[in-house]
Amino acid sequence: DAGITQSPRYKITETGRQVTLMCHQTWSHSYMFWYRQDLGHGLRLIYYSAAADITDKGEVPDGYVVSRSKTENFPLTLESATRSQTSVYFCASRGSSGTYEQYFGPGTRLTVT
Amino acid sequence: AQSVTQLDSQVPVFEEAPVELRCNYSSSVSVYLFWYVQYPNQGLQLLLKYLSGSTLVKGINGFEAEFNKSQTSFHLRKPSVHISDTAEYFCAVSANDMRFGAGTRLTVKP
Repeated sequence: DAGITQSPRYKITETGRQVTLMCHQTWSHSYMFWYRQDLGHGLRLIYYSAAADITDKGEVPDGYVVSRSKTENFPLTLESATRSQTSVYFCASRGSSGTYEQYFGPGTRLTVT
Repeated sequence: AQSVTQLDSQVPVFEEAPVELRCNYSSSVSVYLFWYVQYPNQGLQLLLKYLSGSTLVKGINGFEAEFNKSQTSFHLRKPSVHISDTAEYFCAVSANDMRFGAGTRLTVKP
């Protein structure tokens, strides 16, 4: 099916472990984004990518790593998870021109114990 | 960089009553403005957007918003809400990247 998907939808991990959240879109959008959603903060941008092999930091990049070897995929890795990274993570994408409208995935709820 | 302030964290309202969710923004450059809705355990869905032209923008589900450049506001309104409108609403401003407000939880009571 066309669209933007995230996996897993739910994840529980322990402090110090590495975890990767996956994001896949079928629209061939140039831009992809990772946000975290926390109560009282709305959505905060972690990293974004303007094209394959081009990534840049957002508001809250510390503790996260991204890569984009293919246009359709944009994985987010927590190299050593901390409890403060417990959150809901959303991936989004948009085209390179037009309205800047972003399309969001369903989210991944991550709990770090 | 741009920023967004949603002035109400929670808005309770009775069914069929009108509602206004307030949003102010700041930016040193021209921006696009958006309202998104998030239903429980779901991602964000676009309600409406302002790009240019008419300052009154109509969106899905009977919502509309008015862009006011002098007051740097983009308030969302609906003349008569339904129970199904209960959700979290986010205002967002976009230049190169998109910045979101903290959200307003709209609760529609019967």
